[in-house]
Parts: sequence; structure tokens; C-alpha cells
Amino acid sequence: EAQVTQNPRYLITVTGKKLTVTCSQNMNHEYMSWYRQDPGLGLRQIYYSMNVEVTDKGDVPEGYKVSRKEKRNFPLILESPSPNQTSLYFCASSFHSGNTIYFGEGSWLTVV
Amino acid sequence: GQQLNQSPQSMFIQEGEDVSMNCTSSSIFNTWLWYKQDPGEGPVLLIALYKAGELTSNGRLTAQFGITRKDSFLNISASIPSDVGIYFCAGQITSGGYQKVTFGTGTKLQVIP
Repeated sequence: EAQVTQNPRYLITVTGKKLTVTCSQNMNHEYMSWYRQDPGLGLRQIYYSMNVEVTDKGDVPEGYKVSRKEKRNFPLILESPSPNQTSLYFCASSFHSGNTIYFGEGSWLTVV
Repeated sequence: GQQLNQSPQSMFIQEGEDVSMNCTSSSIFNTWLWYKQDPGEGPVLLIALYKAGELTSNGRLTAQFGITRKDSFLNISASIPSDVGIYFCAGQITSGGYQKVTFGTGTKLQVIP
């Protein structure tokens, strides 16, 4: 089954404790991205990657890092999480830029 | 970052009624997309529009790509309870291998049986 898989789905952590949200897709997609969803703000892009070793900032990259060492994986790294990064995070992928975007099921992150 | 103006923000309708929502932008897009998000799930694509003026249907859903390339609307006819969810528009511009996707703020739809 074609899918985008995120882990963890739910996490409560403390300020400053580094964490990584993993994302994996099994569709051989080149394009992957991360979004955060906040009430009243919709989905905002954090980072995206056009292919392996090619990443770039989205609209709200501050406080986040990403890496794309393999085509299927695109982890989101919060080096020093802060409460304003409490949000619902979505990983997404598509075959090429301009193609249909497929979303993961989301990761609820709470930073206290 | 840029955001699309999506309206209405939320709506309550009676089962069987038709629904209309729209998105506008100050920038043009190459593609307009409409997604639906069920509670606890990621957004799922409903309709994709690739040409200005294009009108596309998917069952009870109809969407149009505005002729100016700066707006789009989604209509749902004869609503049913499972239409409940949050609907997002998204505008996509692809230039020189660079893909920029901007999402609307969402329309929360509640259907009263």
C-alpha cells in the first residue's frame, strides 16, 4: 500500500530536549516536505526537499532542521524545542514537483 | 509567508443542502488543489485543477480554476454527514524545478443530519 508514514504520532516533550520526527514514503517520490498545522493558520510549509541531499526552507523554518540522505526518508529535527513549536506536523511527498501531494497521518507534538 | 484567503472559515449546514467555498490570492498559481481533512487524519486530495478556467467534477464535488489564476471555488452538492471535515485549498506554482505550495486557512464544515 502506497503511504507516507510518520513517527511518533503523539509526543509530549520538555523545552530544550532534542527530538526527531521521522517520515518515510514507499512510493519512490522525489519531492518531500514538512508542514505544521495550527488553528486559524492552516498548513504552513517548514522545509522541503526536491531530491536526495537537496533541501530548502519553506515559510516557517526557524527552529527546525531536516536531512535527506535517502530518497525515502525525510526526518524533521527540533534541536531545542520550545512551546511555540507545539503543533500538528504533517510530512508529505509527491513524485515530482507539481504532482499530487500525499500526506502522512500527522504527528501531534506538545512541548511543555 | 504567503497564505491564501479562504472563506468561509466555518459553516453549519443541513444535510441535503449545497455548499460553496472559495479561495483567493494576490499571486497567480499554476495549479489549484482542494483537500479534505478528517479528524485525526492527514489531508486527502479531492480535486486538482491545472488550467485557468478549468471546471472539474468528482462525484458531488465541483471545483473551478479561476480565469485570472488567482482564485478557485469548491462546491459540494446534496451534502451528507460524512462530508464533515476541514477543507483546504492549495495553490501551487512550479518554476524551474522549484515547487511552492501555499495552503488556505481551511473551511470547517459541519453537516446537521
